[in-house]
Amino acid sequence: NAGVTQTPKFQVLKTGQSMTLQCAQDMNHNSMYWYRQDPGMGLRLIYYSASEGTTDKGEVPNGYNVSRLNKREFSLRLESAAPSQTSVYFCASSEGPYNEQFFGPGTRLTVL
Amino acid sequence: KNQVEQSPQSLIILEGKNCTLQCNYTVSPFSNLRWYKQDTGRGPVSLTIMTFSENTKSNGRYTATLDADTKQSSLHITASQLSDSASYICVVSLLTGTASKLTFGTGTRLQVTL
Repeated sequence: NAGVTQTPKFQVLKTGQSMTLQCAQDMNHNSMYWYRQDPGMGLRLIYYSASEGTTDKGEVPNGYNVSRLNKREFSLRLESAAPSQTSVYFCASSEGPYNEQFFGPGTRLTVL
Repeated sequence: KNQVEQSPQSLIILEGKNCTLQCNYTVSPFSNLRWYKQDTGRGPVSLTIMTFSENTKSNGRYTATLDADTKQSSLHITASQLSDSASYICVVSLLTGTASKLTFGTGTRLQVTL
C-alpha cells in the first residue's frame, strides 16, 4: 500500500498562473482533506470531502477549488496563484471524519 | 477562539534522555486529542489518539496523557533516540455535526543529539 500520494513534490509558479495539486489514497477511505502549513503556524484546513460526492470549505478556502474525482482522488486547484499561497500543501485521508488522518508527503509550492 | 498552544517551541536533549512536551487547549466541545510526529520534509504521522475519557495512552516509547478538566496534555518520550528528532504536533478535534474539525498546534521541534 502506498498510502496517500501527492504530485508534484515541488512546484514554482509565477503570480497569476494556475495549477492543480493531485492527491490519491489507496486505503479505501471515505474522507479526504487539503491542508496548508506555513512557518510558525499550525496546519490549516483548506477544503475537505467527508465522502465521495461532497466537498466543504475549511478554515482558509479563498483562492482554491477542489474536486473529489472519485473515492480515491481529491485534487486542489489554484486558479490564479498569488505569493500568499506560497506554502507546503498536505493531503490527508481518513476512514471517517472522526478517525485517524493519514497524511501524504506534501507539495512545496512557491509563487513568485 | 479555539486554540492549541504547545511548549516548549524547541528542545535539545542528549540521546538516551527522557523529555516531556506540553499542550494546552481551549477547544470546546472536545472530541479527541491527537499527537503527531512530523519529520523534516515529510507529512505528519499519528502517534496517539485519546478521547476525553482516556487519561493515558502509549505507543512504544511515547506516552501521552490527558487531563480534560484542566485541558492539558503531555507527550513523554522515554530513552530518546536520534530518530526522535522531529516536530511533535498536538491536535485537538472539535466535535461538530457532520465532520470533525481539527485545530493544530504549532509544534515542538525536538532535536536529539549525541
